[in-house]
Amino acid sequence: DVKVTQSSRYLVKRTGEKVFLECVQDMDHENMFWYRQDPGLGLRLIYFSYDVKMKEKGDIPEGYSVSREKKERFSLILESASTNQTSMYLCASRDRGDTGELFFGEGSRLTVL
Amino acid sequence: AQSVTQLDSHVSVSEGTPVLLRCNYSSSYSPSLFWYVQHPNKGLQLLLKYTSAATLVKGINGFEAEFKKSETSFHLTKPSAHMSDAAEYFCVVSDFSGGYNKLIFGAGTRLAVHP
Repeated sequence: DVKVTQSSRYLVKRTGEKVFLECVQDMDHENMFWYRQDPGLGLRLIYFSYDVKMKEKGDIPEGYSVSREKKERFSLILESASTNQTSMYLCASRDRGDTGELFFGEGSRLTVL
Repeated sequence: AQSVTQLDSHVSVSEGTPVLLRCNYSSSYSPSLFWYVQHPNKGLQLLLKYTSAATLVKGINGFEAEFKKSETSFHLTKPSAHMSDAAEYFCVVSDFSGGYNKLIFGAGTRLAVHP
């Protein structure tokens, strides 16, 4: 069964802390994505990567960075967490090609106090 | 740029009655369109996709959607709702601007199914 695994389902952090959200996929997919999900706003793309060590900004990259050192792993980093980054974060992967299905992890719910 | 509008934020139906979740899109070219479902505390799962083949697309769990170019719509339907259909549903359009295929998500429609 194909799988996208997000290591932390629930996190509580304090303002100013550095936060790492990890995502691993076992499907040998080229493309990986980080989305943020907020009620009434749907999913908004933070960053994506189409290859190892490659990254592209999405629609809301401010306050975030990413790392993709290996094909299967895509990390989202909050350098200095703020309360407005309290949200659900979803990782997804997709094989090469324009119409491929996105496979999602179960999400990481981050609360910043 | 492409965009997608889900016309209802909440839909409530009785078990056994039809489901209609409405979606309109804006695209400057022939789009790829998707419906995803998210059950509580779960990630999103693909229900169905349209990629310029047949305009009536059948998906999993008895759902289907019809692509209507003249109305710029891609509504999701199911003849008979089941309790397990209670979830949030997202309409999605492909955006090829910027040289990459990004998916643009609608705000979501929460479907409640009552006994």
